[in-house]
Amino acid sequence: QQQVKQSPQSLIVQKGGISIINCAYENTAFDYFPWYQQFPGKGPALLIAIRPDVSEKKEGRFTISFNKSAKQFSLHIMDSQPGDSATYFCAAKHNTDKLIFGTGTRLQVFP
Amino acid sequence: NAGVTQTPKFQVLKTGQSMTLQCAQDMNHEYMSWYRQDPGMGLRLIHYSVGAGITDQGEVPNGYNVSRSTTEDFPLRLLSAAPSQTSVYFCASSYSPRGQPQHFGDGTRLSIL
Repeated sequence: QQQVKQSPQSLIVQKGGISIINCAYENTAFDYFPWYQQFPGKGPALLIAIRPDVSEKKEGRFTISFNKSAKQFSLHIMDSQPGDSATYFCAAKHNTDKLIFGTGTRLQVFP
Repeated sequence: NAGVTQTPKFQVLKTGQSMTLQCAQDMNHEYMSWYRQDPGMGLRLIHYSVGAGITDQGEVPNGYNVSRSTTEDFPLRLLSAAPSQTSVYFCASSYSPRGQPQHFGDGTRLSIL
């Protein structure tokens, strides 16, 4: 019940396209859903996060869509750029509990 | 402002050796944690600390020890290295257990032969 399932494992998108990464969870007590971006040789860095009281959050080209009833949330990267090529992790937590990470999606954006 | 600093960046050990991975943060964060990252498994929590003198186990604590004598430092000790501990280790900190985001260091890449 503590798992966060992430898909796909890898994603190849052409420059200018839309990248979509999906995550699903079971624990309905989760109340914070961040996405982390990790470049090779670097640690993960917070990209965008959402709480379940809203269905969508947008920051620039990055949007989180949240479906509370389906227990799913997704990251959409609009107008994907080669500089977006990285590994993306979804995560979830409840209150002061530990952050539970998904297994990661390697995104490659080709020019 | 350096953020979270991890040393060393790379290390090769032989089975049975011990070593300490160092982690230091200069943001006066109370909450610090150690993760290991393995292909296809995401990041898994090893140990965490909610403040100086307080530590607790995460998801995969076996084979690792931690201590937190100061707010700034949170070293991770491998007691007797095993090949299964070959991984990339990340230290992270945040101002509180509920606080986000967690700030990650750039990792220590550890190989156990």
